[in-house]
Amino acid sequence: RKEVEQDPGPFNVPEGATVAFNCTYSNSASQSFFWYRQDCRKEPKLLMSVYSSGNEDGRFTAQLNRASQYISLLIRDSKLSDSATYLCVVNNGGANNLFFGTGTRLTVIP
Amino acid sequence: GAVVSQHPSRVICKSGTSVKIECRSLDFQATTMFWYRQFPKQSLMLMATSNEGSKATYEQGVEKDKFLINHASLTLSTLTVTSAHPEDSSFYICSAERTQAGARSYEQYFGPGTRLTVT
Repeated sequence: RKEVEQDPGPFNVPEGATVAFNCTYSNSASQSFFWYRQDCRKEPKLLMSVYSSGNEDGRFTAQLNRASQYISLLIRDSKLSDSATYLCVVNNGGANNLFFGTGTRLTVIP
Repeated sequence: GAVVSQHPSRVICKSGTSVKIECRSLDFQATTMFWYRQFPKQSLMLMATSNEGSKATYEQGVEKDKFLINHASLTLSTLTVTSAHPEDSSFYICSAERTQAGARSYEQYFGPGTRLTVT
């Protein structure tokens, strides 16, 4: 089983729509969770860390469900500039490295 | 803040030559840096963890003698692809982990990547 699994999409949504991505992780000892976005042929950029209590940054809301071992990202009022691949990233508690999901491709349509 | 630079951004080299890629954290110190490679439409694959002042830790299947890593300072790590072959052609991305108040944050900030083409 993969460390991190995501629905690859693609998600095609109209401008202004609300879209949600989920991601599951296999290691219950995982301690740190992140969402990154990656534009085509570019490096990943940290979008937000995901805290146990959930956190919000403008139009973006991230939540963590430890019992079910998944994290989610909600994007409200989608903009064309939100089109990208969103990577779910999990730190395997105690290890040095991060595990990346394969990403969910989002395209926001005018 | 949290800017990471990588140089060169693109390199084309002949088979058998070596290529050095630099990764620098510009506005923060990074005890730990990471090197990844990414093939088209695939996820990032961690190659090695670079620790300042000590030897790098390589992931299974990554040849340490082929991918030489040096982390000479708290802001610079280098990856040298030795005797490059066409199958080494890929997108190489480094990242640096920012330390917060002496503790690990696990937040990694990525460089813009180096696209290596070996002919």
